[in-house]
Amino acid sequence: EDQVTQSPEALRLQEGESSSLNCSYTVSGLRGLFWYRQDPGKGPEFLFTLYSAGEEKEKERLKATLTKKESFLHITAPKPEDSATYLCAVQPLYSGNTGKLIFGQGTTLQVKP
Amino acid sequence: GAGVSQSPRYKVAKRGQDVALRCDPISGHVSLFWYQQALGQGPEFLTYFQNEAQLDKSGLPSDRFFAERPEGSVSTLKIQRTQQEDSAVYLCASSLQGHTGELFFGEGSRLTVL
Repeated sequence: EDQVTQSPEALRLQEGESSSLNCSYTVSGLRGLFWYRQDPGKGPEFLFTLYSAGEEKEKERLKATLTKKESFLHITAPKPEDSATYLCAVQPLYSGNTGKLIFGQGTTLQVKP
Repeated sequence: GAGVSQSPRYKVAKRGQDVALRCDPISGHVSLFWYQQALGQGPEFLTYFQNEAQLDKSGLPSDRFFAERPEGSVSTLKIQRTQQEDSAVYLCASSLQGHTGELFFGEGSRLTVL
């Protein structure tokens, strides 16, 4: 069964304290892995797409990496405005052209000033 | 606006009532998705449209759930005879092409069934 598990469920950091969020996945063929950010009361906002092991993407203080079994979202020197829930999702090969995504439960990040 | 628009933002229904949730996608986006998000969980896929064709409805939890996109633009998700377990946020997303995985989500419609 295709599955996405994120850890930790919640993470509290001090401003400037770097850390990583983990996304472990089991899928019968990976078309792509995606990271989204979700603020309270809002819909998810796209951050990154990763397609193959070894690939890395960066945006401001965020860097996403991918291996054959997991992905990491590294947050360098976070600021309070980085506080949000970060969602990981996989797109199985069998999804064809439908674009169906399987999401993890998310990691809720709180950055304190 | 330029984003995905959903209405109503909040809906309270008595158990057994029918509800309709509307999604207005980004203009020109071929693909439209509906996801269900329970409190504290990630979104779960419900159904997918490419233009007016519903190509995947494997995630619809029961035959009480029905979605349509008759003209390939606005979509409606209808839930008949609502149950308490239907309480969730219903998210609509659109994209230029379905397989990109880069989805643009609306703010969601929060349904509470009493």
